[in-house]
Amino acid sequence: DAGITQSPRHKVTETGTPVTLRCHQTENHRYMYWYRQDPGHGLRLIHYSYGVKDTDKGEVSDGYSVSRSKTEDFLLTLESATSSQTSVYFCAIGQGYEQYFGPGTRLTVT
Amino acid sequence: QQQVKQSPQSLIVQKGGISIINCAYENTAFDYFPWYQQFPGKGPALLIAIRPDVSEKKEGRFTISFNKSAKQFSLHIMDSQPGDSATYFCAASKSGSEKLVFGKGTKLTVNP
Repeated sequence: DAGITQSPRHKVTETGTPVTLRCHQTENHRYMYWYRQDPGHGLRLIHYSYGVKDTDKGEVSDGYSVSRSKTEDFLLTLESATSSQTSVYFCAIGQGYEQYFGPGTRLTVT
Repeated sequence: QQQVKQSPQSLIVQKGGISIINCAYENTAFDYFPWYQQFPGKGPALLIAIRPDVSEKKEGRFTISFNKSAKQFSLHIMDSQPGDSATYFCAASKSGSEKLVFGKGTKLTVNP
């Protein structure tokens, strides 16, 4: 998985609780991405980062925030989880069309 | 607005057959068209990519065909094998943008 780890790999949480997912890379890539994957929707970009402290929104950013204080770490936070955020979350590194994905985090919001 | 439309949603092929997955796009500014392969429980992985200045690109049993005038591109898997069973995503990006737009995916099952 191109030197990308995600933690946790699985999480079950309750509606209304905050959740933070972590992506860690060892490739020193400038660009990092967070996607969610849902049946019938494919992969949708949530947020991405183009450097430390530099982030931008994707197509489904509502309800999510991100932070990048170090090159190697990109955090995705759900401030108050909802059932609609039950999904598999993938982190990716790379640039443009050539992206390398992590193993994913399966999040269930009950 | 779905920028990249992919079909079919699922596909079942016999071993040795040809698997064909199609994608269409609207934005003529797109200039890279990759395909990603995803096995169950894994993240997607780049399989093959094409630029619109060529009509076809082959890598082993995998071929991308590109029709610029029709704004369509397709993935052909020749001599399909059970190990090819996976979900395939087409995608598109444009120079100067660091973002990818994905199709919704095709689940391919190759029966032995």
